[in-house]
Amino acid sequence: EAGVVQSPRYKIIEKKQPVAFWCNPISGHNTLYWYLQNLGQGPELLIRYENEEAVDDSQLPKDRFSAERLKGVDSTLKIQPAELGDSAVYLCASSLTGSGETQYFGPGTRLLVL
Amino acid sequence: KNEVEQSPQNLTAQEGEFITINCSYSVGISALHWLQQHPGGGIVSLFMLSSGKKKHGRLIATINIQEKHSSLHITASHPRDSAVYICAVSLGSNYQLIWGAGTKLIIKP
Repeated sequence: EAGVVQSPRYKIIEKKQPVAFWCNPISGHNTLYWYLQNLGQGPELLIRYENEEAVDDSQLPKDRFSAERLKGVDSTLKIQPAELGDSAVYLCASSLTGSGETQYFGPGTRLLVL
Repeated sequence: KNEVEQSPQNLTAQEGEFITINCSYSVGISALHWLQQHPGGGIVSLFMLSSGKKKHGRLIATINIQEKHSSLHITASHPRDSAVYICAVSLGSNYQLIWGAGTKLIIKP
């Protein structure tokens, strides 16, 4: 069974440029999460989807970040414009449901903003 | 005070040693997760448990709900076990995971 797929694995951009990350969750998983992880810290939730609905985006900086999961399967996270402080690893995870189920993580996208 | 505390923060041991990483939490939980993150790698879920004990290969996880404490043990440790081990808890029916700061484990050959 394929795990959570993310692309790209690495991205280097200049500040003020846009960037997008893609995630394909495990087949059949209804819940999809986007996390941000800074070096040496635990992941911080940005947004959670139940199917195509964003049920918690309270931690998403909406002035520059946006996300979508149009058909309730794969998802895209976008930053526009990127700032130096956005350099981090962006992790996508999925679970069967959102009720304390085991979350399966993708390899992450490492973003460096210059 | 963090709701999930791990100890130690860093641990260096010799190959073959028995490893214990501890996790204490201060909230009511529905489940506790142990996860592993290799340098530059993604996060892998090791265990999810709400009571008792689970074993997978050389890894053992235990939880004491009354004491709000869990331990992750690694028997016959190996350099490939070197990683950050993270404890995280789920609250009730809430999806959200509260993460510990992680324990960086280095196993020397």
